[in-house]
Amino acid sequence: AQRVTQPEKLLSVFKGAPVELKCNYSYSGSPELFWYVQYSRQRLQLLLRHISRESIKGFTADLNKGETSFHLKKPFAQEEDSAMYYCALNSGGGADGLTFGKGTHLIIQP
Amino acid sequence: EAGVAQSPRYKIIEKRQSVAFWCNPISGHATLYWYQQILGQGPKLLIQFQNNGVVDDSQLPKDRFSAERLKGVDSTLKIQPAKLEDSAVYLCASSLPLYNEQFFGPGTRLTVL
Repeated sequence: AQRVTQPEKLLSVFKGAPVELKCNYSYSGSPELFWYVQYSRQRLQLLLRHISRESIKGFTADLNKGETSFHLKKPFAQEEDSAMYYCALNSGGGADGLTFGKGTHLIIQP
Repeated sequence: EAGVAQSPRYKIIEKRQSVAFWCNPISGHATLYWYQQILGQGPKLLIQFQNNGVVDDSQLPKDRFSAERLKGVDSTLKIQPAKLEDSAVYLCASSLPLYNEQFFGPGTRLTVL
């Protein structure tokens, strides 16, 4: 069975500090990993995916198959980064449904 | 581009009543998903359609939940009869075939009393 674990329900950091949101997964094959974000009063939306290896809004995430992790990082947090962040995976079949973690509520303090 | 539309946005019912939710995906998106998000949890996939065919309904409680997408566009999700534990936000999402970015609707918040 596939599972995504986000150990922190809440993460609070000061503006300008580095941010790391943790995500670990269990899956026997070669999954695709994603980070989705939900800003206050907005819809859930894709932030980034591991196959793109891109930086979005200053965030990056590297897939570590040995540690089965896909942690989200940003060197300098901004107040507008405050949101709910969900790590998710699918089985690598393109448009397959997603398995989500429970989410981490990131609060950036001024 | 118009996003995924869902209605109603909020619904309050008593247990054992029936309820239906509607979703209109982004034009041209052949793949449609329904997720259930219970408070404090991440979304959980209930059912996935490719056009009007079911791809995955392994996590749909089929004794009380049903979903259809008759013409391969709009979809409805029904609960009959509802239980207290069905209180959740029901999210609809759509994507292009073989493409892994899903676009989510605003959700329907269901409260079962």
